[in-house]
Amino acid sequence: GDSVTQMEGPVTLSEEAFLTINCTYTATGYPSLFWYVQYPGEGLQLLLKATKADDKGSNKGFEATYRKETTSFHLEKGSVQVSDSAVYFCALSDEGTDKLIFGTGTRLQVFP
Amino acid sequence: DAGITQSPRYKITETGRQVTLMCHQTWSHSYMFWYRQDLGHGLRLIYYSAAADITDKGEVPDGYVVSRSKTENFPLTLESATRSQTSVYFCASKQSSNGYTFGSGTRLTVV
Repeated sequence: GDSVTQMEGPVTLSEEAFLTINCTYTATGYPSLFWYVQYPGEGLQLLLKATKADDKGSNKGFEATYRKETTSFHLEKGSVQVSDSAVYFCALSDEGTDKLIFGTGTRLQVFP
Repeated sequence: DAGITQSPRYKITETGRQVTLMCHQTWSHSYMFWYRQDLGHGLRLIYYSAAADITDKGEVPDGYVVSRSKTENFPLTLESATRSQTSVYFCASKQSSNGYTFGSGTRLTVV
């Protein structure tokens, strides 16, 4: 079945460092891809999404490009802030059933 | 207020008890979902519903029951709670633009 694989965390960075969180997927169809963010003690918020190959989703300085040839949707940010500390989830939307399938999450810790 | 409301926010129950987690949406989204979040597993789908009176199993349905008699409500029942069901539970609904909105979660502890 469809699945999502994320890099294990935690990812620890200094403020203003460059961030990459890797995400790859397995799917039989053409899923939509998402990044969700979960701040401490809160629910999940949609960070960005891409619905077809070569689409780039972006929000709050974060970007991710839907790469069908490498089945990847890596999350990047050029300069992280302490306030970006959270858990980031990569997910895909199953084309047939609309189920959202998540990776295991990557904790990001940013220090001043 | 518009959105998804989960209740209770926190719940402690004893092994063997029945407990129901509530989920209510103020839109009329067709799709609704229940996930559990556990360390090392991310979010795993328990049950989902494509419309009122239509439900289907997800990845980890054992020990759970759902119903959807009205579009806006999607309660999740643990028929006989076990310690392995201690988790944080999230309800979600799907918007037409391929976006999903999540509730704030219910933290359930089974003792």
